[in-house]
Amino acid sequence: SQTIHQWPATLVQPVGSPLSLECTVEGTSNPNLYWYRQAAGRGLQLLFYSVGIGQISSEVPQNLSASRPQDRQFILSSKKLLLSDSGFYLCAWSGQYEQYFGPGTRLTVT
Amino acid sequence: GQQLNQSPQSMFIQEGEDVSMNCTSSSIFNTWLWYKQDPGEGPVLLIALYKAGELTSNGRLTAQFGITRKDSFLNISASIPSDVGIYFCAGNTQGGSEKLVFGKGTKLTVNP
Repeated sequence: SQTIHQWPATLVQPVGSPLSLECTVEGTSNPNLYWYRQAAGRGLQLLFYSVGIGQISSEVPQNLSASRPQDRQFILSSKKLLLSDSGFYLCAWSGQYEQYFGPGTRLTVT
Repeated sequence: GQQLNQSPQSMFIQEGEDVSMNCTSSSIFNTWLWYKQDPGEGPVLLIALYKAGELTSNGRLTAQFGITRKDSFLNISASIPSDVGIYFCAGNTQGGSEKLVFGKGTKLTVNP
């Protein structure tokens, strides 16, 4: 069966520091991968998605970036965090139509 | 872009009551999905619908794909305290996009 992992689970970072969140999927090949941000426990905002290695589509202009160095690895990064980057970051994978979410990373920028 | 109107935004009910929530759109959808999110966790897929008119159950949950393909509802029967959470509808629009459109969620509170 497929499983999706995210780490870290929680992160507290100062403004201006870099960020790297990692997502890995097991048990499937060539999945579509997604990064979402959720603020205040409501509403999922799609940030990036990827249909293959090195293929990244950005949905929202911002100071975040994403990379897919391997088939089942998706990384969310920032060079300099802003206060507004605080939130709950969710990674998801899909095979066809359904998306399956990871456990999330709670990021607090101080 | 496409939007999903999910209602109600929040519900406060007594344990044992039935719950109904729905999503509507001006666009035609190929699939409808219902998720539940517990606090501090990722959303979990509850039910997936693929055909207009389809009615699918998962335990006390029942969801239907509207015949116009522009709406869906989720019913929860005999609610229990662990039903608390945020329920999201989502859909894949005609044309086979890799992206899902999500509703803004219905926050359910169940009083014991």
